[in-house]
Amino acid sequence: EAGVTQFPSHSVIEKGQTVTLRCDPISGHDNLYWYRRVMGKEIKFLLHFVKESKQDESGMPNNRFLAERTGGTYSTLKVQPAELEDSGVYFCASSQGRGMPQHFGDGTRLSIL
Amino acid sequence: AQSVTQPDIHITVSEGASLELRCNYSYGATPYLFWYVQSPGQGLQLLLKYFSGDTLVQGIKGFEAEFKRSQSSFNLRKPSVHWSDAAEYFCAVGASAGGTSYGKLTFGQGTILTVHP
Repeated sequence: EAGVTQFPSHSVIEKGQTVTLRCDPISGHDNLYWYRRVMGKEIKFLLHFVKESKQDESGMPNNRFLAERTGGTYSTLKVQPAELEDSGVYFCASSQGRGMPQHFGDGTRLSIL
Repeated sequence: AQSVTQPDIHITVSEGASLELRCNYSYGATPYLFWYVQSPGQGLQLLLKYFSGDTLVQGIKGFEAEFKRSQSSFNLRKPSVHWSDAAEYFCAVGASAGGTSYGKLTFGQGTILTVHP
């Protein structure tokens, strides 16, 4: 069984540019989560999808961040325009059910110059 | 709101020594509790979980953790550390059933473990 896959593994862009991160969850997992770890800080929740619906987006920092999950399969997280403080590692996780253990991807390291 | 505290940012032990990583949580109801490990360049791997029942839970790689409700703690232990255990360890609390935040994880700051030969 393939695990959670994230693309790209590392992205370096300039301030003001747009970046799109992708997450492919484990097949059959309806629940998909995005988290972020800014350097020196704890891993923080961004949002939660159940299938294609946003269940909880209370952790999204501002309206420069847009998450989608087309057809309840893979998800994208777009940052537009990117700011310096957006640098960090973005993790995606999926689970079979709410409250069930979450399986994490390797993360995307985003560097804003 | 739920929160997790890992008091130790960095711990160093000798190979073969015992290990205990501390985790304290704040949550209004019975929490779901997890320990994850992140090795360099890799994602988070689940070590063990507590949902209910026996308060001493066994995980992978020889780790165990004990849920102590009276102390709001979920400390991770291993009797004999191996060099391959060097990594960063995260304690997390999951919101239990009910409400839109059900399923969301709140993480501690992480504890970096260094193992000396």
